Amino acid sequence: GESVGLHLPTLSVQEGDNSIINCAYSNSASDYFIWYKQESGKGPQFIIDIRSNMDKRQGQRVTVLLNKTVKHLSLQIAATQPGDSAVYFCAENTLSNTGKLIFGQGTTLQVKP
Amino acid sequence: EPEVTQTPSHQVTQMGQEVILRCVPISNHLYFYWYRQILGQKVEFLVSFYNNEISEKSEIFDDQFSVERPDGSNFTLKIRSTKLEDSAMYFCASSDVTGGETQYFGPGTRLLVL
Repeated sequence: GESVGLHLPTLSVQEGDNSIINCAYSNSASDYFIWYKQESGKGPQFIIDIRSNMDKRQGQRVTVLLNKTVKHLSLQIAATQPGDSAVYFCAENTLSNTGKLIFGQGTTLQVKP
Repeated sequence: EPEVTQTPSHQVTQMGQEVILRCVPISNHLYFYWYRQILGQKVEFLVSFYNNEISEKSEIFDDQFSVERPDGSNFTLKIRSTKLEDSAMYFCASSDVTGGETQYFGPGTRLLVL
């Protein structure tokens, strides 16, 4: 069945270090992937997305990597800051469908000062 | 920057009561969604809505749930007879186009059913 999952529930990093958050997906028909950040008590906030015709996309301090061979998605955050502390969700979508996003379980990122 | 807004931020209700959660999507968006998140769990899709019709709904979205776009700006989720297990955060989202464009989420409504 369709599912998106995360390898680690909690990631703790030192301020200034790079963070890598991983996600595995099982639906080979998914062709659009999004990373969301969710701070406590708030709604998911868009970080970065990638389409299946790409394997890497960079934003400001963030990079998303897509490996379709092993159905793996990762989010890299450079020079992690205390404000990056949040829960990070990957989500998948099939371009031809109605927009339904399937979310993973979430990884909690804790940034130690 | 335009954003999705939701009201109320918190709602407490008795089991069996009806609740209406309200959302104002981003003004030029055409596709609207409701998701829910039970405390400590992942975000789950409920329903997508376009052109005044439901495009897709999940198993969670049973006969107790309905959505409506009563005017040009609001998008509502109604739960007719709430159950304890309906307690969750409910998020509204909207997008320009479906399937490949970013969905922007509102801050959510925390619903507590007693």
